[in-house]
Amino acid sequence: GNSVTQMEGPVTLSEEAFLTINCTYTATGYPSLFWYVQYPGEGLQLLLKATKADDKGSNKGFEATYRKETTSFHLEKGSVQVSDSAVYFCALPISGGYNKLIFGAGTRLAVHP
Amino acid sequence: EPEVTQTPSHQVTQMGQEVILRCVPISNHLYFYWYRQILGQKVEFLVSFYNNEISEKSEIFDDQFSVERPDGSNFTLKIRSTKLEDSAMYFCASSSRRDANTEAFFGQGTRLTVV
Repeated sequence: GNSVTQMEGPVTLSEEAFLTINCTYTATGYPSLFWYVQYPGEGLQLLLKATKADDKGSNKGFEATYRKETTSFHLEKGSVQVSDSAVYFCALPISGGYNKLIFGAGTRLAVHP
Repeated sequence: EPEVTQTPSHQVTQMGQEVILRCVPISNHLYFYWYRQILGQKVEFLVSFYNNEISEKSEIFDDQFSVERPDGSNFTLKIRSTKLEDSAMYFCASSSRRDANTEAFFGQGTRLTVV
């Protein structure tokens, strides 16, 4: 079945630093890939997604490119803010093509002023 | 913006007791899900529900668990006889379609603590 491996945290950065959170996957076919974010005290929110190879998902300054050659979907942001402090989850559908997700372990990001 | 709401936000229960976790999915969604996250571990799929029946369930979702849509708005997860290892954050989600490209909207979670 499909699986996802995510960079472990926590990641601690200063404001305006560059962020990369690594995510690699194994999958049958080319499923959609997702990044979810969980802000303190809140639920999981979809941050961005990519539905096919070479697609770039973007939202709120975050980007991730679906790379089938390296089976990766790394999350990047050029300049993080304190408000980006959260836990980030990489996810993809469990094999079968249906909306049933498998999540990475989550990476906690802490941004300091 | 429509959202999935879950109640309570935190539930403490004694081992062996029954608990019901409640969720109100987004009103025009048809597919509903429960996930759980044991502290420090991954978010895991438990069950999906459509048209008043379970469409898929994981190995975790054993006979102690059940789901129900008792009315037109609520979606509940019942754990019949809680065990210590059921302590986790439980997330409800809903989506308008079941295909893998459609976003699932998640609630804020219910933290269940079994003592």
